[in-house]
Amino acid sequence: NAGVTQTPKFQVLKTGQSMTLQCAQDMNHEYMSWYRQDPGMGLRLIHYSVGAGITDQGEVPNGYNVSRSTTEDFPLRLLSAAPSQTSVYFCASSGHGTPDREQYFGPGTRLTVT
Amino acid sequence: LAKTTQPISMDSYEGQEVNITCSHNNIATNDYITWYQQFPSQGPRFIIQGYKTKVTNEVASLFIPADRKSSTLSLPRVSLSDTAVYYCLVGDSNTGFQKLVFGTGTRLLVSP
Repeated sequence: NAGVTQTPKFQVLKTGQSMTLQCAQDMNHEYMSWYRQDPGMGLRLIHYSVGAGITDQGEVPNGYNVSRSTTEDFPLRLLSAAPSQTSVYFCASSGHGTPDREQYFGPGTRLTVT
Repeated sequence: LAKTTQPISMDSYEGQEVNITCSHNNIATNDYITWYQQFPSQGPRFIIQGYKTKVTNEVASLFIPADRKSSTLSLPRVSLSDTAVYYCLVGDSNTGFQKLVFGTGTRLLVSP
């Protein structure tokens, strides 16, 4: 199993550009989530999904969209990038249906918005 | 959301036992306590989880007193490679456990 994979590893955007961060897992996990981590800070939940076709907002959803058309994939779309979105983005999944049990995290995407 | 409080940082030396305590005064009856480890430039990694009393695995032990308002992660005989940030989390039964809140964690520095 590859676990949780994320692409790209690094990305630089200009203010106002849009892009999609990709996340995939091959563990058949129902629960998937996106977090952002700013320097020296903990992780903050952006959006999550409890299964294909079902998504919901986390703590900091503004400026981001998600969709979950398959169990495997959970892309995160930045609608119009802003410097405040400069961060490291982590995708995670859990096979227990909820994240309060073990979550598996991807390697992260480091995004810089200029 | 259930809030946790941890020390911001701790220092230790190789071979010592490290105990990191987390306070979670408003933990709900159904909440589990989970600890993650994060190395620089990597995603967090699950270490251990418990509900009450003591849990032990090949990496760490987790001690939870009867009132469950705190928990202690114990790392036996740490090495330099245990230098990392450690997060304590509790589930949020109010959201059906669908959301988890990461605090700022405890930064552990292990020196030779």
